[in-house]
Amino acid sequence: RKEVEQDPGPFNVPEGATVAFNCTYSNSASQSFFWYRQDCRKEPKLLMSVYSSGNEDGRFTAQLNRASQYISLLIRDSKLSDSATYLCVVIATNRDDKIIFGKGTRLHILP
Amino acid sequence: EPEVTQTPSHQVTQMGQEVILRCVPISNHLYFYWYRQILGQKVEFLVSFYNNEISEKSEIFDDQFSVERPDGSNFTLKIRSTKLEDSAMYFCASIGTSGTKEQFFGPGTRLTVL
Repeated sequence: RKEVEQDPGPFNVPEGATVAFNCTYSNSASQSFFWYRQDCRKEPKLLMSVYSSGNEDGRFTAQLNRASQYISLLIRDSKLSDSATYLCVVIATNRDDKIIFGKGTRLHILP
Repeated sequence: EPEVTQTPSHQVTQMGQEVILRCVPISNHLYFYWYRQILGQKVEFLVSFYNNEISEKSEIFDDQFSVERPDGSNFTLKIRSTKLEDSAMYFCASIGTSGTKEQFFGPGTRLTVL
């Protein structure tokens, strides 16, 4: 099982649709979880942290299921500007902080 | 808003040459990282640096790589003898002292090895 695995994508969805991204991780000692977005040929930018209780920021909702070792990101009412690659990031802190990026899921919002 | 900066934005070098990639992390940050991203592939962790020493490194970070914080602001990645497969985007990142582990990335240096 890969350390961090994401939907391979790409996702092509119409503007206004709801999009869900999934991510699974293999290390049960993982402690910190994030979603980043990366535009083409740019650096990753933090979208949101993921907390056990789930968290919401406007149109974005992130959830964590520790038992299933699963993280999700939901984007509601998608905009053209949401087109990007979405990266799941997991940090394990059982020893030293080991930071693992998922391969990313590319999202294309269609007008 | 404070940001991580990297220079140069693009570096072209011949195979076998040494390159130094430079980063200026956010000023009050204490943890520093280098990542690379080969075109079309995922972001890969190279090394983390804290308190003037390497705290963790990946299998990619072999003897041809080294990092240094020569003064209070710069954080450098040196590749001693570049190979064709070192061509990639190299991102520097830093974490503050908030304990949240949210990383702030620089814009990257695109390294092309010919």
